[in-house]
Amino acid sequence: NAGVTQTPKFRILKIGQSMTLQCTQDMNHNYMYWYRQDPGMGLKLIYYSVGAGITDKGEVPNGYNVSRSTTEDFPLRLELAAPSQTSVYFCASSYSGTGANVLTFGAGSRLTVL
Amino acid sequence: AQTVTQSQPEMSVQEAETVTLSCTYDTSENNYYLFWYKQPPSRQMILVIRQEAYKQQNATENRFSVNFQKAAKSFSLKISDSQLGDTAMYFCAFIPSGSARQLTFGSGTQLTVLP
Repeated sequence: NAGVTQTPKFRILKIGQSMTLQCTQDMNHNYMYWYRQDPGMGLKLIYYSVGAGITDKGEVPNGYNVSRSTTEDFPLRLELAAPSQTSVYFCASSYSGTGANVLTFGAGSRLTVL
Repeated sequence: AQTVTQSQPEMSVQEAETVTLSCTYDTSENNYYLFWYKQPPSRQMILVIRQEAYKQQNATENRFSVNFQKAAKSFSLKISDSQLGDTAMYFCAFIPSGSARQLTFGSGTQLTVLP
């Protein structure tokens, strides 16, 4: 049982480059989330999805895009990377979006933009 | 909008002793859930304990327990018989009841258990 799998674990980008962080879950969860964690801070929600084909913005969506073509996958795309996007990114999923269903997190992806 | 405040950026405790981490939150919601997550150096976010606001009884999970004071909007975590493996960043988090709600995190408390 893999849970939530994120790739890559580490990546260094140059300013202006683009990349996609991959996230896959095998728990048939409806809800998926992308968070970023800046040093010494809590997690902030970037985007979330309530099901295939449905996505919505979180607290800090600027500079990112997402898509949800299948239940399992929820990739996060960074366009025109900037130093402000240096962070650790976490993907998470849950069966429903209520607090009754706990989030399962991936192991995180550390991104550095130079 | 909800806010979650953890006023202790760092704490330390001797092995086998008890430590309490503080968390306060602000919300106009009446029904919600509160969580404590642990993030060890591996970065993996691990659920420690969960409290439902409509339940007056404080949640417990083995050595971990909470003191939930709804009127004061306070949600502290007590770790008893601290172990070296408890060394981690601890995050308090809040989510209103209902569907498609967002989890709001505090800024975290770095706990170090000393041998």
